[in-house]
Amino acid sequence: DAGVTQSPTHLIKTRGQQVTLRCSPKSGHDTVSWYQQALGQGPQFIFQYYEEEERQRGNFPDRFSGHQFPNYSSELNVNALLLGDSALYLCASSSGQGATEAFFGQGTRLTVV
Amino acid sequence: QKEVEQDPGPLSVPEGAIVSLNCTYSNSAFQYFMWYRQYSRKGPELLMYTYSSGNKEDGRFTAQVDKSSKYISLFIRDSQPSDSATYLCAMRRTGGFKTIFGAGTRLFVKA
Repeated sequence: DAGVTQSPTHLIKTRGQQVTLRCSPKSGHDTVSWYQQALGQGPQFIFQYYEEEERQRGNFPDRFSGHQFPNYSSELNVNALLLGDSALYLCASSSGQGATEAFFGQGTRLTVV
Repeated sequence: QKEVEQDPGPLSVPEGAIVSLNCTYSNSAFQYFMWYRQYSRKGPELLMYTYSSGNKEDGRFTAQVDKSSKYISLFIRDSQPSDSATYLCAMRRTGGFKTIFGAGTRLFVKA
């Protein structure tokens, strides 16, 4: 079992650009949550997807959007990148909405220059 | 005021020491309490999971929840250099989908 996989592992983008991050959940999991972790901080909840719908959203602007596909994989899109969007983006998967996230991916390190 | 407060450390201890990590929180609706370990350049991994108050033990790790004081703890016995990592407390309310994390405490265990 490959666990939760994220791609790419590292990414450098220019301010104002758009970025798409990808996540494949652990086998058997149907729920995907996305988190942003700034350097030296704990992860901050962005949103959760279940049954291809956004179920709950954290305090992030509309520039952050997502999608879940029928195979439960998910994408996180960020438009109009700001320097402050530089962070580690983590994907977590679980079985059923509201379940504790036991499995996280290794994250995508996004640097905005 | 943050919903979850955690001392970022760093905390440095000798091998074999007992480590105590703590968090306080303000939202009395939190019912699920977790501790994650995060190695450098890795995603968090779930160590301990507790529902409501009480203690839970798993090997060298013990998690305690005191809801009356809004205080949770993680104890690590016989600490090893391989325990050197950042430890994140996290919590969630019943029916909630959002997990709130503390800032994490960096732990260094010296051989």
